[in-house]
Amino acid sequence: DAGVIQSPRHEVTEMGQEVTLRCKPISGHDYLFWYRQTMMRGLELLIYFNNNVPIDDSGMPEDRFSAKMPNASFSTLKIQPSEPRDSAVYFCASSLFRESPLHFGNGTRLTVT
Amino acid sequence: AQKVTQAQTEISVVEKEDVTLDCVYETRDTTYYLFWYKQPPSGELVFLIRRNSFDEQNEISGRYSWNFQKSTSSFNFTITASQVVDSAVYFCALSEARSNSGYALNFGKGTSLLVTP
Repeated sequence: DAGVIQSPRHEVTEMGQEVTLRCKPISGHDYLFWYRQTMMRGLELLIYFNNNVPIDDSGMPEDRFSAKMPNASFSTLKIQPSEPRDSAVYFCASSLFRESPLHFGNGTRLTVT
Repeated sequence: AQKVTQAQTEISVVEKEDVTLDCVYETRDTTYYLFWYKQPPSGELVFLIRRNSFDEQNEISGRYSWNFQKSTSSFNFTITASQVVDSAVYFCALSEARSNSGYALNFGKGTSLLVTP
């Protein structure tokens, strides 16, 4: 199994630019999660999907953030416009069931200057 | 309110020492799950163990062991005979249902373990 695949691994962008992070979950996993990790706030759940449908987006910081899952094998997290405080490592994870262990991707390190 | 508390921010031990990482959680649910994850310096998050609230048996996996005690709301993790490769940040996490039928996997702030030769 290839595991959860995230791209890009690193992203450096200027304030105001649009950023799109991508994720391919493990095949057959019904749940997909987006997390953000910062030193100050630790690991925060941003949003999660079940069978491609967003279930809980209460962790999304503000309207600048949006996430989609057009099919079972692909999800995006978009930030528009980006701000320096969005700098963090963004993790995508998938699981078979809601309470199953999460399998994390390697993360995308986002730096907004 | 912090759902998962890992009071030890950093721990440093010498190789071959035993070390226990503490985790205290807070929930009103009767059904919940507890997890431990490891984040080595390379940055990925690696699943170690899952425990459900109805199974208080301690678990041992090689040098790793976990002590789950509902009476004290704790799920502690012990590494026996620590090795340099154990150096990582370890996260405890709690999975519980939200009142609006949502779901939450709350992570603690993590404990950074450094094992020196």
